[in-house]
Amino acid sequence: DIQMTQSPSSLSASVGDRVTITCQASQDINIYLNWYQQKPGKAPKLLIYDASNLEAGVPSRFSGSGFGTDFTFTISSLLPEDIATYYCQQYDNLPQYTFGQGTKLEI
Amino acid sequence: EVQLVESGGGLVQPGGSLRLSCAASGFAFSRYWMHWVRQVPGEGLVWVSRIYNDGTRTGYADSVLGRFTISRDNAKNTLYLQMNSLRDEDTAVYYCARDKRPGHYGSGIFDLWGQGTLVSVSS
Repeated sequence: DIQMTQSPSSLSASVGDRVTITCQASQDINIYLNWYQQKPGKAPKLLIYDASNLEAGVPSRFSGSGFGTDFTFTISSLLPEDIATYYCQQYDNLPQYTFGQGTKLEI
Repeated sequence: EVQLVESGGGLVQPGGSLRLSCAASGFAFSRYWMHWVRQVPGEGLVWVSRIYNDGTRTGYADSVLGRFTISRDNAKNTLYLQMNSLRDEDTAVYYCARDKRPGHYGSGIFDLWGQGTLVSVSS
């Protein structure tokens, strides 16, 4: 199975900061990497798919990049409403879809 | 409104069974692969199962293989998860999720989620 390692597991930042989260796959997954945001008590929300594509309706301050085994998720300028846990997820190895362990973002 | 609404969660004893439902509305349900994802409270997301849009093929996580069965009724726009031989470690919030790409080949991108239903396995 493909393992996904996210870092950091938690992050404290200030409004306006640039925030970066990384996700590393245990083997090459091409671009088959998605990013989700989950706020407390809510369902996850798709932000980025195929490593760098912004889901419709998602603000442009969110972005993703990477290919192969190393991926990056960035919030260009943090807003208070961005406080959440963020997960990466691979879908190269179907039907085993694997999530990272999550990054809890706090202000 | 495009939405997924889960139901059927609750408290069940170890070894027991439960059937979850996920009612879809606002989109062409029969065109999309569907998934179940679970989350132990306070922990991360874990994919559980997937079914093709026409129900012809299914897939399962190793942890539930042989105990859980995913199915769908496209005439009723409803996804199901039959859970048998439940264990303490199956306690979680269960989400249904839509695969982003319609058609036979799907993807692994979960673009629409339900609100979740809590399953508690305890004696």
